[in-house]
Amino acid sequence: AQSVTQPDIHITVSEGASLELRCNYSYGATPYLFWYVQSPGQGLQLLLKYFSGDTLVQGIKGFEAEFKRSQSSFNLRKPSVHWSDAAEYFCAVGSSGGYNKLIFGAGTRLAVHP
Amino acid sequence: EPEVTQTPSHQVTQMGQEVILRCVPISNHLYFYWYRQILGQKVEFLVSFYNNEISEKSEIFDDQFSVERPDGSNFTLKIRSTKLEDSAMYFCASKIGTGGAYTFGSGTRLTVV
Repeated sequence: AQSVTQPDIHITVSEGASLELRCNYSYGATPYLFWYVQSPGQGLQLLLKYFSGDTLVQGIKGFEAEFKRSQSSFNLRKPSVHWSDAAEYFCAVGSSGGYNKLIFGAGTRLAVHP
Repeated sequence: EPEVTQTPSHQVTQMGQEVILRCVPISNHLYFYWYRQILGQKVEFLVSFYNNEISEKSEIFDDQFSVERPDGSNFTLKIRSTKLEDSAMYFCASKIGTGGAYTFGSGTRLTVV
């Protein structure tokens, strides 16, 4: 069955520290992978996506993610976190064809300490 | 940058009432979706719509739900007889083609009382 696992429900980091949010997926076909961010009461903003090619993808707000097929992972990283990065982060997987519904992970809530 | 627009941003309705959530997808997009997020839970797929018909729906999308694209610009989700458990944030999304990335709207928070 298709699934996305975000093992960390809640992460707290200090401002300026590095960040890595984990995402593992189970998907039979070639996956399209996404990271979205959601601030409280807000919609879903796309941070970055991976369709093919270079396995290290750059996104907005200084985020990057690396696709590792052998580990079925697509971890999100940022070298230096800002207080405004506090939000909920969702990893999602979709198929490379068809109607491409997205399957979301349960999310990781990021808190940033000053 | 083009946006997906959802109205209203917040709707309160009484249990058993019909509610229509409205979305205006990006104009040249061909694939349309509804997702929902119950408070504190993950985002769940409800339905996808392409070529004026439902292409896929989830178990959540039962006979109480329907979608329509009545005029080539709006994309609506109707819940015929709302239940308390329908309270959630509902997101509309669209994309241009099979390889495109989704654009999500900012959501409609539905509260059933």
